[in-house]
Amino acid sequence: KAGVTQTPRYLIKTRGQQVTLSCSPISGHRSVSWYQQTPGQGLQFLFEYFSETQRNKGNFPGRFSGRQFSNSRSEMNVSTLELGDSALYLCASSFDGRNLPREAFFGQGTRLTVV
Amino acid sequence: DQQVKQNSPSLSVQEGRISILNCDYTNSMFDYFLWYKKYPAEGPTFLISISSIKDKNEDGRFTVFLNKSAKHLSLHIVPSQPGDSAVYFCAASAYSGAGSYQLTFGKGTKLSVIP
Repeated sequence: KAGVTQTPRYLIKTRGQQVTLSCSPISGHRSVSWYQQTPGQGLQFLFEYFSETQRNKGNFPGRFSGRQFSNSRSEMNVSTLELGDSALYLCASSFDGRNLPREAFFGQGTRLTVV
Repeated sequence: DQQVKQNSPSLSVQEGRISILNCDYTNSMFDYFLWYKKYPAEGPTFLISISSIKDKNEDGRFTVFLNKSAKHLSLHIVPSQPGDSAVYFCAASAYSGAGSYQLTFGKGTKLSVIP
């Protein structure tokens, strides 16, 4: 069974640009969550999508957005990039997140560097 | 307000000895707890979980203990091996509305197992 696939693995962008990251969940998984990891801050929850609908959202500005397609693949977009957006962006998939077990399985992440 | 706390940023243990990683939480609504292991430049890997109705769960060398009254959980690794050297994240799950169960992560503990 293929794992969670995130593309691209590495990205360098200039301040003010926008970026789109992609995540393909494990086959059969319908819930996709996005996290930002920065040094010393652990994993900060961005949002969760389930059946093409945003089901939950963390405390990030509106510059961070996402969507999910009918095949459960998800994209996240960051507009007007700031230096502080440099981070490892992780995508996690789970079957539906409601029933046990609720383990989420992570991709390898996209390392975004804003210069 | 950090709801999941890992107070030890790092831990060093001799190979063959026991590693004990600790985690405290404040939200009484958390009902499922997980541990993840993360190597540099990779996404977190699910290790072991425990439901709030249990106080112990074992899987090979890994055991998680949950003390609900103290809002504390711990991960025991016995015996510790050099390959266990990684950052360990504690996570907790609670219902966050609209059918979503959000995972909240601690900031991680870096375990170093010395040969």
